[in-house]
This record gives sequence, C-alpha cells and structure tokens, in this order.
Amino acid sequence: GESVGLHLPTLSVQEGDNSIINCAYSNSASDYFIWYKQESGKGPQFIIDIRSNMDKRQGQRVTVLLNKTVKHLSLQIAATQPGDSAVYFCAENKYGNKLVFGAGTILRVKS
Amino acid sequence: DSGVTQTPKHLITATGQRVTLRCSPRSGDLSVYWYQQSLDQGLQFLIQYYNGEERAKGNILERFSAQQFPDLHSELNLSSLELGDSALYFCASSRDNSYEQYFGPGTRLTVT
Repeated sequence: GESVGLHLPTLSVQEGDNSIINCAYSNSASDYFIWYKQESGKGPQFIIDIRSNMDKRQGQRVTVLLNKTVKHLSLQIAATQPGDSAVYFCAENKYGNKLVFGAGTILRVKS
Repeated sequence: DSGVTQTPKHLITATGQRVTLRCSPRSGDLSVYWYQQSLDQGLQFLIQYYNGEERAKGNILERFSAQQFPDLHSELNLSSLELGDSALYFCASSRDNSYEQYFGPGTRLTVT
C-alpha cells in the first residue's frame, strides 16, 4: 500500500503552545496537498489545503507550509487546545484525482 | 457532523460472505469516494464515483465493487470476504471533483 507503517509518531504539546506537524511527500507532480484531522471514532475531517504553486496558506489557527525543494509539508496549529488532540494526516493527489494519505501523526495536548 | 451518512455502523460477518455498505453524500455533492482504513495499511483510497459514473480507481480488490445510484447514494459491495478485509470503511463526498472531501463516520467491518 501507499501508507507505511503503523507506529505513528506522537507529538505531545502543552495546552496553549504552538504545534508543528510535519509530513514528507513523494511526488513532485502533485498539485494539491491537504491536511485532515481524525478524532477517535470519527472519520477524517478536512482542515486546510494548499496548491503546489503556493508556499504558505493560513486558516483559522492553522497554517500550512509547503517546501517543494525538500518535498516537505507542515501544519502549524497556534495556541493548541485539548480539542486539537487527534491523528493528523497529510495527503497529496499523487495520481490525479486520487488522494494518497500519509501514515499520520498523533497529537496529544496536555492540560 | 459532516452531513455524510453511512450504514451500518458495525458489521460482523464470516469469511466467504458478502456484504454491502451504504453511503449517502452531503446534499448537493456529486462525488462519492470510498476509503479503507486498516491498522497495517493506513487510509487507502478505493474508488470514486462522480454523478453516477466511475471517475477514479485506487487499490480496490477485484472482490470489491461499488456503484452510485441516480439519487447519488453509493454502495460498496465486498464479496468472498477474508480476515484481512476487516477494517474501517469510509465514504466521503465532495461538491464536484475537489479534494475538500467530507467523510462519513465509517462502517467497521469485522470478518471472523
């Protein structure tokens, strides 16, 4: 399969701190990169996307950065809250319409 | 609540059996996507339908098939089930052919 491994990396942050979740992608030809959040027992939830011709895009409390030189994508969450605790997935449209998801990162917010 | 509904929520069946999973997209969404989420493979794209027609295909096994009906709801049929088919199956929908997809709550399939 496209995703690799089930030993998901975990990021633990203190409530109120900023969080940075990183993702490496593989296909230079991908047009879109997307971040999804999946809370326990729920389906993934769209957070933000970025086109390949952009370097940065901001949403509400979230910023996505794209570094095409090193094929790296990051999601920054400002003032992290307990409700941000979830698994975060990056995804790319590696093959046209098809989204390929990364393995995910667990974000744990400590109160 | 994403507006996408999936039934059933849980399904337990035996190897060799056939099951049908159902998905109703958000009102107005024309595209439906099916994904499989398992512990060893992560979240895998299976297939996409757009306004009744197959639009894109991913890692979908030949034992699996899907369709989208005129009212835009979709069904995923899984046959000759194997233990390894145990997973969460998600349906997602989008307004057209975009990457802003809205996921349903999933169907947890357990094959015994």
